[in-house]
Amino acid sequence: EIVLTQSPGTLSLSPGERATLSCRASQSVRNSYLAWYQQKPGQAPRLLIYGASSRATGIPDRFSGSGSGTDFILTISRLEPEDFAVYYCQQYGSSLTFGGGTKVEIK
Amino acid sequence: QVQLVESGGGLVKPGGSLRLSCAASGFTFSDFYMSWIRQAPGKGLEWVSKISSSGTTIYYADSVKGRFTISRDNAKNSLYLQMNSLRAEDTAVYYCAREAISGRFFDFWGQGTLVTVSS
Repeated sequence: EIVLTQSPGTLSLSPGERATLSCRASQSVRNSYLAWYQQKPGQAPRLLIYGASSRATGIPDRFSGSGSGTDFILTISRLEPEDFAVYYCQQYGSSLTFGGGTKVEIK
Repeated sequence: QVQLVESGGGLVKPGGSLRLSCAASGFTFSDFYMSWIRQAPGKGLEWVSKISSSGTTIYYADSVKGRFTISRDNAKNSLYLQMNSLRAEDTAVYYCAREAISGRFFDFWGQGTLVTVSS
């Protein structure tokens, strides 16, 4: 089973700042089959990115994904108030596993 | 628009059973693989089970294999999860989620239903 480790656990930033979230896999993720989700309190997760770098429908272009192999990054170029949430990565190259999440909180 | 609405959660004693349902609308249900994914209070996401569009292929996480049964009724646009021999560690919000056509990621999620296993 591929284990996904997300870092940092919590990111404290101000609106307008850039957020960089990391997702590291215990082994290479086939074909960069990695997705990112956003979850706000009391809500279901929402798909942001799939295939490591493709934005899902309706996702603003301030969200971008990159990476391959074992190292993946989600970047939020300029944080909006509604972006403060928990973010999860998920790999689907071998079975299916989720990372433990990164909380982006207001500084 | 795509909607997934879960129901059937509640409080159950250890060793008990519960059946979750997920009503789908806004898309051709029979075209899509579906999954159940759970989230324990304050914790991350854990994939539980998946069923193919026709219902003929099924997968389970090791943590629920032999205790949970996933099924679907394409005529009723509904997904189910029969949960038996429930344990305290099964306490979680259970989401049904649609698997994207282009890959094994989840493009739509329901709002979830809470299952609490406690004496």
